[in-house]
Amino acid sequence: NAGVTQTPKFRVLKTGQSMTLLCAQDMNHEYMYWYRQDPGMGLRLIHYSVGEGTTAKGEVPDGYNVSRLKKQNFLLGLESAAPSQTSVYFCASNYYGTEAFFGQGTRLTVV
Amino acid sequence: TQLLEQSPQFLSIQEGENLTVYCNSSSVFSSLQWYRQEPGEGPVLLVTVVTGGEVKKLKRLTFQFGDARKDSSLHITAAQPGDTGLYLCAGGYSNYQLIWGAGTKLIIKP
Repeated sequence: NAGVTQTPKFRVLKTGQSMTLLCAQDMNHEYMYWYRQDPGMGLRLIHYSVGEGTTAKGEVPDGYNVSRLKKQNFLLGLESAAPSQTSVYFCASNYYGTEAFFGQGTRLTVV
Repeated sequence: TQLLEQSPQFLSIQEGENLTVYCNSSSVFSSLQWYRQEPGEGPVLLVTVVTGGEVKKLKRLTFQFGDARKDSSLHITAAQPGDTGLYLCAGGYSNYQLIWGAGTKLIIKP
């Protein structure tokens, strides 16, 4: 049972480049989330989804877009990367506010 | 804006000692979850507490939810190097979102 899988695990981007992070879960969870984690700041919610075809903004959505075309997948896009987006990104999924299952994270560096 | 404050931010102790870390808020939560995160990994759930005053034990770890459901504590007895990690608390406020604390980084020295 794979749980939550994120790809890629590491990426270096130049300022202004774009990229997409993929999150896949095989637990049939309704809710999926994208967080960023920076030192001393805990997990901050970027965007979330409460079901296939629906997305909503979280605490820090600027500069990011998301899509949930299939229930098992949640994509996070950076249209024009900035150094401030250097962070570790985590995807998570769960049922209705219960235990959140996390992926292993994507370490993104924007130079 | 709901805030969860965790203290201390960093704790380094010797193997065998006891410790307590705290998670405090001015908001009332429907539930409080504790997670442990190891380097290079995502957080993993340790326990969920839902009732004011509730105490749960997980081997050497004791979790307590405050009577008013605004705060929680995690007590570790006879800490071991394997307890090293980042401990995060998360408050359940609605059925789709968790409010996260910044974490306590714990190092247990052999």
